[in-house]
Amino acid sequence: AQSVTQLDSQVPVFEEAPVELRCNYSSSVSVYLFWYVQYPNQGLQLLLKYLSGSTLVKGINGFEAEFNKSQTSFHLRKPSVHISDTAEYFCAVNNISGGYNKLIFGAGTRLAVHP
Amino acid sequence: GAGVSQSPRYKVAKRGQDVALRCDPISGHVSLFWYQQALGQGPEFLTYFQNEAQLDKSGLPSDRFFAERPEGSVSTLKIQRTQQEDSAVYLCASSQTSGTSGEQYFGPGTRLTVT
Repeated sequence: AQSVTQLDSQVPVFEEAPVELRCNYSSSVSVYLFWYVQYPNQGLQLLLKYLSGSTLVKGINGFEAEFNKSQTSFHLRKPSVHISDTAEYFCAVNNISGGYNKLIFGAGTRLAVHP
Repeated sequence: GAGVSQSPRYKVAKRGQDVALRCDPISGHVSLFWYQQALGQGPEFLTYFQNEAQLDKSGLPSDRFFAERPEGSVSTLKIQRTQQEDSAVYLCASSQTSGTSGEQYFGPGTRLTVT
């Protein structure tokens, strides 16, 4: 079985400051890793994903994440945030050999960007 | 092009009523997923369809929950004899492929409130 822990339920930050949203996972099998963003009253949108290769993954809107296998982490970072980045962010994993993309999500981190 | 749509967007049901939630996936998408998102939590997997075949219903919380996708496109999630604990946002997602690495496209969700 897999599980995902997002270590911060809320992260307040000022505009143009850097931010890191933390994600740790637990799994007995190999996993793919994903970050999704959810804006108010909208569905989830894929930010980025790690499948294989380089452990630093770049996504949309200037976000990037680094896969660390030894620490079972997949933290999301952005060097300079905007007001428009205010949203809920979800880390997710699945079982590579599961046959289909059954996502296991963390509880989410609410990013609040202040002017 | 059109994304995933869900209807109704909001549903209020009295305890004991039956409800039906509809999902229109992106045209041609093979995979369709239903998730349940309780307040302040991440989405939790309910069920998975590959075309018209329901391959995984392990996440359905009770036999009051039933999902179908008879022609491999539109899907309906039905909840019989609704209970207060069924109150949540129900998310539908579709994916072009059936593998484990593909992007899932989410609809805006149906917010169900059971009174």
